[in-house]
Amino acid sequence: GAVVSQHPSRVICKSGTSVKIECRSLDFQATTMFWYRQFPKKSLMLMATSNEGSKATYEQGVEKDKFLINHASLTLSTLTVTSAHPEDSSFYICSASEWRGRWEQFFGPGTRLTVL
Amino acid sequence: AQKITQTQPGMFVQEKEAVTLDCTYDTSDPSYGLFWYKQPSSGEMIFLIYQGSYDQQNATEGRYSLNFQKARKSANLVISASQLGDSAMYFCAMREGVLAGNQFYFGTGTSLTVIP
Repeated sequence: GAVVSQHPSRVICKSGTSVKIECRSLDFQATTMFWYRQFPKKSLMLMATSNEGSKATYEQGVEKDKFLINHASLTLSTLTVTSAHPEDSSFYICSASEWRGRWEQFFGPGTRLTVL
Repeated sequence: AQKITQTQPGMFVQEKEAVTLDCTYDTSDPSYGLFWYKQPSSGEMIFLIYQGSYDQQNATEGRYSLNFQKARKSANLVISASQLGDSAMYFCAMREGVLAGNQFYFGTGTSLTVIP
């Protein structure tokens, strides 16, 4: 149980286009999902906390108009990178919280975004 | 101050030997959880082991054990009988409090290489 999927796993796009990444909890409902960004050989950087039915909470320094997050249902959160530029190229990982006697985070497999 | 500190950017261990990966944390919340994750080159985050702040005994999961020293605020991961497949990045993480939306704080990671 507690499987989180991400789609797509890899995406290459042209500069100026928008890219949507989906994060799904497949076998549980997640009221809270998190979006991270990871640069090569670096740690995970929390971008935003996504709560079902409400606006996402963005971390300091993360442009909310650039990285649009929608958590429309208990099993789906989406991250849209708008007007992508090469500096947005990165590995994006989502996670979902579930109670297992404690709150645990289950991670998706990640999406590698390359902006040309 | 950093919430999670991992001071070993890279470690090498001989196959079948044990290795300790260091992690110290900083929190004033009496309720917290400590997690270790493995991230192979594929990018997925694999949960290894958990230690709760109120747990009396050190956590163990197969070849993984956590050396929890609460007074020193350290939560070192011990991998026994290292295998080639253990080569990966290892992240220590902490969650403060008991709410689903409480974020995880990640350390900068340790790259472990197992030598045949």
